[in-house]
Amino acid sequence: DGGITQSPKYLFRKEGQNVTLSCEQNLNHDAMYWYRQDPGQGLRLIYYSQIVNDFQKGDIAEGYSVSREKKESFPLTVTSAQKNPTAFYLCAGGPRGHTGELFFGEGSRLTVL
Amino acid sequence: AQSVTQLDSHVSVSEGTPVLLRCNYSSSYSPSLFWYVQHPNKGLQLLLKYTSAATLVKGINGFEAEFKKSETSFHLTKPSAHMSDAAEYFCVVSDLDYGQNFVFGPGTRLSVLP
Repeated sequence: DGGITQSPKYLFRKEGQNVTLSCEQNLNHDAMYWYRQDPGQGLRLIYYSQIVNDFQKGDIAEGYSVSREKKESFPLTVTSAQKNPTAFYLCAGGPRGHTGELFFGEGSRLTVL
Repeated sequence: AQSVTQLDSHVSVSEGTPVLLRCNYSSSYSPSLFWYVQHPNKGLQLLLKYTSAATLVKGINGFEAEFKKSETSFHLTKPSAHMSDAAEYFCVVSDLDYGQNFVFGPGTRLSVLP
């Protein structure tokens, strides 16, 4: 089996703590994305990366950080600066360009206590 | 700039009746268009995509969509709903003019009644 693997599936955090969500892919995708999903809303882009060692801010990057040291991995850190981090986080991968579809992981649900 | 409008936030149908989920978009160039489905607490799965080939696109699970440039629409249809179709559906647009590549609509929740 393979594709886009996210972990952990559920995560609880105390206020003021940083947490890192893992996203790994074995599909050889150049591009990887992190989205945030809140109840009843669509997906909002946090960060994306089109190539190793390069990434770009999305629409809601404040309070988040990423790295892309390897093609296979695109971890997302939710920092204490993120004021409302409780959400469902989705990682996706795909080819560069606008015609290829995205492949999604199963998501990570973060709850701040 | 790109944008996507899904005209219904919630659609309810009876099992065995047709499904219509509506999507309108705006795009500067010839867009690529996608429909994804999401079941609760899961990731998104691609149903179908349009990338400037045939305007009538067939997808998985009996779904299809028609690209109408003059109406800037990409509505999703299925002749006969099944209980397993109950989920959230997202229309997505992408074109060369948008560096982030993909813009998601707000989603339409489909309920299927027995």
